[in-house]
Amino acid sequence: DAKTTQPNSMESNEEEPVHLPCNHSTISGTDYIHWYRQLPSQGPEYVIHGLTSNVNNRMASLAIAEDRKSSTLILHRATLRDAAVYYCILRDVNNAGNMLTFGGGTRLMVKP
Amino acid sequence: EADIYQTPRYLVIGTGKKITLECSQTMGHDKMYWYQQDPGMELHLIHYSYGVNSTEKGDLSSESTVSRIRTEHFPLTLESARPSHTSQYLCASSRTATSPQYFGPGTRLTVL
Repeated sequence: DAKTTQPNSMESNEEEPVHLPCNHSTISGTDYIHWYRQLPSQGPEYVIHGLTSNVNNRMASLAIAEDRKSSTLILHRATLRDAAVYYCILRDVNNAGNMLTFGGGTRLMVKP
Repeated sequence: EADIYQTPRYLVIGTGKKITLECSQTMGHDKMYWYQQDPGMELHLIHYSYGVNSTEKGDLSSESTVSRIRTEHFPLTLESARPSHTSQYLCASSRTATSPQYFGPGTRLTVL
């Protein structure tokens, strides 16, 4: 399975934009890029996903590099409630289990 | 909003007891999953199901078993709980292979 690499942690100030990077240099053509986040003591929460084009939703934006070897999750205005571990995950449509393989993720700390 | 429920939220039991962790979703999703997560650690898939009467083991070996008799229900059973089973168990569901997975709040199990 193609793997992802994320920084262990990042800090941001409240109400400022946050750019969370993810490298996936071995991504295949059938891999979708998914982002989830996990708040303390809660289950993971879906944030956004995409294949090739940039994507926007009410929670965040996803910028995907032209060669698809990296992507960036963008939180436009960080709030204290955005402090969580953010996971960048590749999902292969041909994967028999269609499971999510979680790596270490990036722990985002938001300062007031 | 995702409608996926897990009960109980917290469970403390003695060694040797049989337990069943409940997971239900009202979204009509065919695919359901069980993950296990120790504090501060990564999630690992232990079971998944494509649909009714379909169950498979995940990438992490587990002594638990699952059943899928109804689309909306995916219970996990431990026949004889041991302290090594102490962990958080997270249930998830998705509509298709590439659509987002929605997670329940989790069951935190402690076996004494």
